[in-house]
Amino acid sequence: DVKVTQSSRYLVKRTGEKVFLECVQDMDHENMFWYRQDPGLGLRLIYFSYDVKMKEKGDIPEGYSVSREKKERFSLILESASTNQTSMYLCASSTSGDRTRRGIFGPGTRLTVT
Amino acid sequence: AQSVAQPEDQVNVAEGNPLTVKCTYSVSGNPYLFWYVQYPNRGLQFLLKYITGDNLVKGSYGFEAEFNKSQTSFHLKKPSALVSDSALYFCAVRAPSSGGSYIPTFGRGTSLIVHP
Repeated sequence: DVKVTQSSRYLVKRTGEKVFLECVQDMDHENMFWYRQDPGLGLRLIYFSYDVKMKEKGDIPEGYSVSREKKERFSLILESASTNQTSMYLCASSTSGDRTRRGIFGPGTRLTVT
Repeated sequence: AQSVAQPEDQVNVAEGNPLTVKCTYSVSGNPYLFWYVQYPNRGLQFLLKYITGDNLVKGSYGFEAEFNKSQTSFHLKKPSALVSDSALYFCAVRAPSSGGSYIPTFGRGTSLIVHP
């Protein structure tokens, strides 16, 4: 059963901490994405990557960075966590072999910054 | 630029009744359209997609969606709602030629509540 996994389901961090969110996919997908989901705002794209060591900014990259050292792993980094980064974070992957580039999503990480 | 509108934040329906969750879109060219569902404390699950061909697309869990090009809509439907269908539903669209990343744009989500 193919899947996208995220390292934590729930995470509580303090303001100013450096936070790492990990995402791993086992489908050999080229494309990986990080979204944040907030009530009334839907899904907003933070960063995406279409190849190892490649990264592109999405719609709301401020306060975040990413790392993709291996094809299967895409990490989201909050350099100095702030309370306005409390949110649900969703990772997704897709393959260029699928004409529609349909995204496969992970279960999400609910991050609370206090 | 591409965009998606889900005009209803919440839809309430009685179990056994038909349900519709609305979605309209704006995109250049012929769109690829998707519906995803998110159950409480879960990630998004793919329901169905429209690429081309028959305007009525059938998906998982008995859901279907109707593509209407003239109205730029892709409403999600089910003939008979179940309480277990209660969840958050997201519509997404992308143009067929969006560049290397092929990133879809998601709507804000519609909460479906099915009452027993």
